[in-house]
Amino acid sequence: GQNIDQPTEMTATEGAIVQINCTYQTSGFNGLFWYQQHAGEAPTFLSYNVLDGLEEKGRFSSFLSRSKGYSYLLLKELQMKDSASYLCAVSDSNYQLIWGAGTKLIIKP
Amino acid sequence: TAGITQAPTSQILAAGRSMTLRCTQDMRHNAMYWYRQDLGLGLRLIHYSNTAGTTGKGEVPDGYSVSRANTDDFPLTLASAVPSQTSVYFCASSAGTSNEELFFGEGSRLTVL
Repeated sequence: GQNIDQPTEMTATEGAIVQINCTYQTSGFNGLFWYQQHAGEAPTFLSYNVLDGLEEKGRFSSFLSRSKGYSYLLLKELQMKDSASYLCAVSDSNYQLIWGAGTKLIIKP
Repeated sequence: TAGITQAPTSQILAAGRSMTLRCTQDMRHNAMYWYRQDLGLGLRLIHYSNTAGTTGKGEVPDGYSVSRANTDDFPLTLASAVPSQTSVYFCASSAGTSNEELFFGEGSRLTVL
């Protein structure tokens, strides 16, 4: 079956760095997405990786290793507004998105 | 800009009643989707439409129907609601169907009693 695994919850301190991991087992792979979802709001797009390596976008970076079925989202210089859930999603061989349950990130002052 | 608009924002519904969740987008996107989001689970695709006039079944289509009469509108209908359909429903759209960014509506919280 198809499976996306992420930690359920993580806690970090304002100003610090946090890494949110995502491992996947899917039928085929056509890319991996990260979305941010604040409580009670809609998910919004953060990043897309299809090739191995690190993609940097401001304070956020996303890494992919296709051979390991692994990705991470790196958030630097954490701010209180980064408190949200982070959703990992993989596009399978049919370009259908398979979603992880999300990682709730709590930022403490 | 409106993007995607969903209505209603929230609704309490008696089991057995029918309900239509509305979704409208103004981005002229070809593809539209309906997802449900439940605690502890990832977003699950209910139905999708790759272009106006076509629809397809997602992962959890039972008990739901959709139509796509034009590019902008993609309503989701529950013909006879059951308590297991209590969830938050998100409508989304994308310009294309291959690894395109999804744009989500604000969600519709439905409670079936």
